[in-house]
Amino acid sequence: GIQVEQSPPDLILQEGANSTLRCNFSDSVNNLQWFHQNPWGQLINLFYIPSGTKQNGRLSATTVATERYSLLYISSSQTTDSGVYFCAPLYNDMRFGAGTRLTVKP
Amino acid sequence: DAGVIQSPRHEVTEMGQEVTLRCKPISGHDYLFWYRQTMMRGLELLIYFNNNVPIDDSGMPEDRFSAKMPNASFSTLKIQPSEPRDSAVYFCASRRVGFGTTGSPLHFGNGTRLTVT
Repeated sequence: GIQVEQSPPDLILQEGANSTLRCNFSDSVNNLQWFHQNPWGQLINLFYIPSGTKQNGRLSATTVATERYSLLYISSSQTTDSGVYFCAPLYNDMRFGAGTRLTVKP
Repeated sequence: DAGVIQSPRHEVTEMGQEVTLRCKPISGHDYLFWYRQTMMRGLELLIYFNNNVPIDDSGMPEDRFSAKMPNASFSTLKIQPSEPRDSAVYFCASRRVGFGTTGSPLHFGNGTRLTVT
């Protein structure tokens, strides 16, 4: 299956700062999801994105399938953005990378 | 749409006991996945089903683990006998792939936190 590498593994921000999270893949992907795992452990779907860019409020995601990467942008971060962010290529076997743990401090 | 429903939310059991985790996928979804999450190993895929048929169980750690999907609306993950190292959060997830469509996103249940003492 496709290998997923996420960076950075940990990120600490001050509230209001912007950040970029990255996923690299071992092969090109046709479809991709970004998830946020909140401090209560729930895994929430953020984006379902085949290619190009999608935006949802302060968050946006860009996937360049041919270059084998995807980026998640968080602007004007808030403490509620804290948690772990995962990306996963949408294949029959949905496997995940190690995630990026984001901590936003007030 | 009620989402993926898992039960119980928390399970505390003693070593050696049998544990059964339950999952109801979203109606119409043809793929069902079981994951285990620990601090050490992250989010691991244990097994997944397509149209109730197990496709890949290579992630099941030992023969003590088994999973079934008797129909499209129900799946179980069983651990017998349980051991303290099985303590983790177990997630069920589902999605629709179908034929000739782009499919749907993967949706997770809220997980079952298992503690084996």
